[in-house]
Amino acid sequence: QVQLQESGPGLVKPSETLSLTCTVSGGSISSYYWSWIRQPAGKGLEWIGRIYTSGSTNYNPSLKSRVTMSVDTSKNQFSLKLSSVTAADTAVYYCARVTHGGLAFDIWGQGTMVTVSS
Amino acid sequence: SYVLTQPPSVSVAPGKTARITCGGNNIGSKSVHWYQQKPGQAPVLVIYYDSDRPSGIPERFSGSNSGNTATLTISRVEAGDEADYYCQVWDSSSDHHYVFGTGTKVTVL
Repeated sequence: QVQLQESGPGLVKPSETLSLTCTVSGGSISSYYWSWIRQPAGKGLEWIGRIYTSGSTNYNPSLKSRVTMSVDTSKNQFSLKLSSVTAADTAVYYCARVTHGGLAFDIWGQGTMVTVSS
Repeated sequence: SYVLTQPPSVSVAPGKTARITCGGNNIGSKSVHWYQQKPGQAPVLVIYYDSDRPSGIPERFSGSNSGNTATLTISRVEAGDEADYYCQVWDSSSDHHYVFGTGTKVTVL
């Protein structure tokens, strides 16, 4: 079955760029939307953005100026870059597949903790 | 932007029924999806399109959506149902984006 795995640095300095990659295994990345979602400790879920395998993107309006997503179909991977990070960006970051008409997240990665600190 | 409001907590005895509400302006016109999240784990989709269950989700989980409120119902609650639950919609009214509810902690007494 399809599995997702996040990877990237667990510690990022303030003002720098957070970079994460999600690797899709057990199935093709093609013909789906893929998303990033984050969750600060003890808080709720926040959607960051989504990308289609064509490269088309939508971002959370509150993060849009700092977010860039990309996809590499040859590697079955998609990526997140979040610039100018602050302590408020410290969270568990999940990647997820979007399905059911592009409306719901049916498969999630295990999540990766990213801390913003000097 | 669109806001989804859930009660912070719901407590229920084993074998009883838990109902978790998700309030939003005219939410009945949108498709609502529900996720269960246990401590230290990623969320799991338990209901999509208001009331459909993914494969492997027990029939004890059901959903409804009308007017300004969507509801996730857990029948014959078990200790293993203790978790945080989030509702979610796709908001296409302005900037196209996904919105999650505030989350509800279900405690099994």
